[in-house]
Amino acid sequence: NAGVMQNPRHLVRRRGQEARLRCSPMKGHSHVYWYRQLPEEGLKFMVYLQKENIIDESGMPKERFSAEFPKEGPSILRIQQVVRGDSAAYFCASSIRGEGRYEQYFGPGTRLTVT
Amino acid sequence: DAKTTQPTSMDCAEGRAANLPCNHSTISGNEYVYWYRQIHSQGPQYIIHGLKNNETNEMASLIITEDRKSSTLILPHATLRDTAVYYCIVRPGQGFQKLVFGTGTRLLVSP
Repeated sequence: NAGVMQNPRHLVRRRGQEARLRCSPMKGHSHVYWYRQLPEEGLKFMVYLQKENIIDESGMPKERFSAEFPKEGPSILRIQQVVRGDSAAYFCASSIRGEGRYEQYFGPGTRLTVT
Repeated sequence: DAKTTQPTSMDCAEGRAANLPCNHSTISGNEYVYWYRQIHSQGPQYIIHGLKNNETNEMASLIITEDRKSSTLILPHATLRDTAVYYCIVRPGQGFQKLVFGTGTRLLVSP
């Protein structure tokens, strides 16, 4: 039973380019979460999605960031016009249900470097 | 806005039990205690969680005090691969609840 998969594992973008990060949840999981870990900082929640719906995006920066989880295919975190401050590790997690009593399982992360 | 307090760092000898404490004195009746760990540069790994009763799985044991104001994660036979940052997280069981990570405890297992 494969775990949460993320790709690419490493992504280098120049300032102003777009970054697309993909996340495939565990089999049977329909709830996806994105977290960000800035260098030398803790993990911060960004957004929670179910299939075709954004449930909570309270942690998403107001501009340039968007997320989707289509009916078919992986969840996508999209960062437009990247800046150096976007350099971080982005982790995706999934769970079988959204309630707090169900654990979230994390993927290996995508390390974004903006040059 | 983490609701837990953990020591910044701990050391443990390989093969010995590692006991990681966590204080959550303001925990509510419907809040679960979760433990995750992050080995350097990897994604957080779920370890265990519990509400009131002690829990055990293949990775660890979770001991929750009767008043639920503190808990201890026990790794019975620590190995070098258990060196990681361990996060204790309190999280309501109902409704969507994101994980709020604090600074955790940096556990160093030495030979």
